[in-house]
Amino acid sequence: DTEVTQTPKHLVMGMTNKKSLKCEQHMGHRAMYWYKQKAKKPPELMFVYSYEKLSINESVPSRFSPECPNSSLLNLHLHALQPEDSALYLCASSPLFDPNTEAFFGQGTRLTVV
Amino acid sequence: GENVEQHPSTLSVQEGDSAVIKCTYSDSASNYFPWYKQELGKRPQLIIDIRSNVGEKKDQRIAVTLNKTAKHFSLHITETQPEDSAVYFCAASKRGDKIIFGKGTRLHILP
Repeated sequence: DTEVTQTPKHLVMGMTNKKSLKCEQHMGHRAMYWYKQKAKKPPELMFVYSYEKLSINESVPSRFSPECPNSSLLNLHLHALQPEDSALYLCASSPLFDPNTEAFFGQGTRLTVV
Repeated sequence: GENVEQHPSTLSVQEGDSAVIKCTYSDSASNYFPWYKQELGKRPQLIIDIRSNVGEKKDQRIAVTLNKTAKHFSLHITETQPEDSAVYFCAASKRGDKIIFGKGTRLHILP
């Protein structure tokens, strides 16, 4: 299994809603990532988890809350988002938090905040 | 911190011709340089990568070259096909640090 699976594929939420994005991989990877991608832009790193511990938080607003329940799962909890948070949210994983290894991306969740 | 510049932002080539995308980086400690292809509405996928102890790497129609002294690396696609149309991102990284992406090149293959 060489897949990173993200759910849901699409999400529309209001500014007062609470929702969660989910990411799962069964490749035994110990590093997992959340990226945000706006149209015609490169992926922008949000968080890195290494061995289920948060290693990097790229000064992301607290309305985004990551969680890594175990080595296969990564969640992103969303609360009180703004319309400008609408984007494609990509999860990725790699064997280790070692840049010399390939990062596998999930298909993403296309989020629209209304 | 690392800064990756990518050119051109848009590239149109006739089917069958070659395409070249160039990137420069600023941190001489960077030692891993992946290239990702992202088709419309899809995930970025690694197409080729190169490490700093290698000057060139080839995989069928795709090749990457690295000049460590000049701090630049390039992607070469030969005999381009319609399915090569996509956005290509170069990136650079070093041990214990995050990957830095270039801004992307939108490649159009013209019939």
